[in-house]
Amino acid sequence: QVQLVESGGGLVKPGGSLRLSCAASGFTFSDYYMSWIRQAPGKGLEWVSYISSSGSTIYYADSVKGRFTISRDNAKNSLYLQMNSLRAEDTAVYYCAPHLLGALPDYWGQGTLVTVSS
Amino acid sequence: QSVLTQPPSASGTPGQRVTISCSGSSSNIGSNYVYWYQQLPGTAPKLLIYRNNQRPSGVPDRFSGSKSGTSASLAISGLRSEDEADYYCAAWDDSLSGPYVVFGGGTKLTVL
Repeated sequence: QVQLVESGGGLVKPGGSLRLSCAASGFTFSDYYMSWIRQAPGKGLEWVSYISSSGSTIYYADSVKGRFTISRDNAKNSLYLQMNSLRAEDTAVYYCAPHLLGALPDYWGQGTLVTVSS
Repeated sequence: QSVLTQPPSASGTPGQRVTISCSGSSSNIGSNYVYWYQQLPGTAPKLLIYRNNQRPSGVPDRFSGSKSGTSASLAISGLRSEDEADYYCAAWDDSLSGPYVVFGGGTKLTVL
C-alpha cells in the first residue's frame, strides 16, 4: 500500500535552514506529481509546493516563494523540500502527498514537525 | 483568510444528515475539481472525495460530494460518532500569478 515517510523536521532558529525528505513506496513514484502541504499548530491546511512527475514543472505558494525549493529524486523514490530563511510563521507539521487519483494530493504521510524559534 | 470559504463548525446527532459547504470563485471551484479531506483529531488528513463526487476505495457511501457553479458541498448521511473531525475542501486556483492549490479554512464537525 501507499506509504509516505517524512523526515528532517526539528527546531531551528529564525533565519536558519532545514531540508525535509519524504520517502515514498507502494506506487510508481516517478509517474506522479507530488506536493508539500503544511499545518500550523491548531490551524488549517496550507499548500506549500508542487512538482510534476519529471520535476520540470514546479509551483510555490506566495508565502514560501524564493525561500523554499522543492525537488525529487525518482531513482530514490524521494521528495525533498529545502527551506531557507525560516520564519516563526513557518512553524508547522509538513506533509508530503502524491497526486495519485487526479489533480490534488490524495494520500498523506504522518508529517514532520518544523519549529522555528529562538 | 482562506480562498475557499467553509463554515467553521457544524453539528448533528447520530443518524442525521449533515452538509458542509465550500464557496469559491470562477478561478478555483468554478473551473477545477473539488476535493474533500477528513482529519480526525491528532491524525493526518485523509481523502474523502476527489474530482467533485468520487469516493476513493474504502470510503463509505455515507459520504458524498457535489459541485454547482462556484460552490461545493460535502454531505454525510447516517452520522456516526466517529465522523467527528475537521473537514477541508480544496481546489486548484488558476490565478494570474500562477496556479495554486487552495484550501478552505476547515469545518469542525461535532456529533452531539
